[in-house]
Amino acid sequence: EPEVTQTPSHQVTQMGQEVILRCVPISNHLYFYWYRQILGQKVEFLVSFYNNEISEKSEIFDDQFSVERPDGSNFTLKIRSTKLEDSAMYFCASSSTGPSGANVLTFGAGSRLTVL
Amino acid sequence: AQSVTQLDSQVPVFEEAPVELRCNYSSSVSVYLFWYVQYPNQGLQLLLKYLSGSTLVKGINGFEAEFNKSQTSFHLRKPSVHISDTAEYFCAASGAGSYQLTFGKGTKLSVIP
Repeated sequence: EPEVTQTPSHQVTQMGQEVILRCVPISNHLYFYWYRQILGQKVEFLVSFYNNEISEKSEIFDDQFSVERPDGSNFTLKIRSTKLEDSAMYFCASSSTGPSGANVLTFGAGSRLTVL
Repeated sequence: AQSVTQLDSQVPVFEEAPVELRCNYSSSVSVYLFWYVQYPNQGLQLLLKYLSGSTLVKGINGFEAEFNKSQTSFHLRKPSVHISDTAEYFCAASGAGSYQLTFGKGTKLSVIP
């Protein structure tokens, strides 16, 4: 069964450093997402991406975050200057249909980010 | 906008006993409902979904859920649980026209041998 692949599985970084989390969505999917889950809290929506641009973003997704699809297969989340509160599990997801239909997301296994 | 409430943060249950994990939602628009499962140290796996049609939906691993519009609920049930069902279960909702999936806080199911 097709799956969403995320790397790295765990990254430890110092506060203020830049981090890039990578994702390979399912190959025929057109919509891409990042969610995060701070330990003990809800899974929260960060951003959705379609047709090479952000289609929707949450209040969490401020100027320190950016997303990019640098080639035909990868989808990345960059955090420019990490803060302690960015420590979380970050999930990438993809879907074949967008909000015009029932949007069923397939999630990756997650990338755990620890900011020291 | 939607909100999703999972009333129980932890549910312990003995092996082979039935279980119900509760989920209530609120939405001002037509809503699609999902249950995801997260096994320890793993990602989110889709368990089942309600998009339209029959209000009783069946998912993987013997789970089922019933969409109840009047009670705005989408409770997850399994008639007989196994040790391997120990995991965290998330109810989620999305509305027509939105890219965003809104999650509940999750319910940790612990199956006791």
